[in-house]
Amino acid sequence: AQSVTQPDIHITVSEGASLELRCNYSYGATPYLFWYVQSPGQGLQLLLKYFSGDTLVQGIKGFEAEFKRSQSSFNLRKPSVHWSDAAEYFCAVGAEAGGTSYGKLTFGQGTILTVHP
Amino acid sequence: KAGVTQTPRYLIKTRGQQVTLSCSPISGHRSVSWYQQTPGQGLQFLFEYFSETQRNKGNFPGRFSGRQFSNSRSEMNVSTLELGDSALYLCASRASGLGQETQYFGPGTRLLVL
Repeated sequence: AQSVTQPDIHITVSEGASLELRCNYSYGATPYLFWYVQSPGQGLQLLLKYFSGDTLVQGIKGFEAEFKRSQSSFNLRKPSVHWSDAAEYFCAVGAEAGGTSYGKLTFGQGTILTVHP
Repeated sequence: KAGVTQTPRYLIKTRGQQVTLSCSPISGHRSVSWYQQTPGQGLQFLFEYFSETQRNKGNFPGRFSGRQFSNSRSEMNVSTLELGDSALYLCASRASGLGQETQYFGPGTRLLVL
């Protein structure tokens, strides 16, 4: 069964500092990996995704993530955080086509990001 | 293109009642998935519909059901509501075809059961 772990429940950074949010996944084959962001009372907005190819993927709002198969990780990074980045971030894994779980996303528990001025 | 829309946005019900939530996918998307989000359990997959057929189901009791119409709009129904059903219900749509695994989410319906 697929699973996702986000070890950090809450992270606080200062505006302008760099950010790394951790994500570890468990999946038997090549996973489809996603990062979503959720502001209070809102739905989920896609930041970036990894399906195959280049292991460093770029997303919106200056975010990037690196897929490391050997570590089963897909960490999210941003070089300089803005106050508007304060939100909750979710890592998710999706199953490949033809699998029994195709169409289902499994999410981590989320990481709440607080940004200090 | 318009995004995924969900109605209503907020709902208050009492225990024992039933509720129906609606989701309109992005134009051209034929797959609709539903998720429940609670502070304790996080985001959990409910079910997925594709071309009016349920293709996948999460680990929820039979009180949770859904359907999809020929225009790809989807509804989910929860019967005999319990306090624990209070949650944000999110709908997501996805295009069909290889490489179309990205799910796009709506704003959600916030359900409060009293």
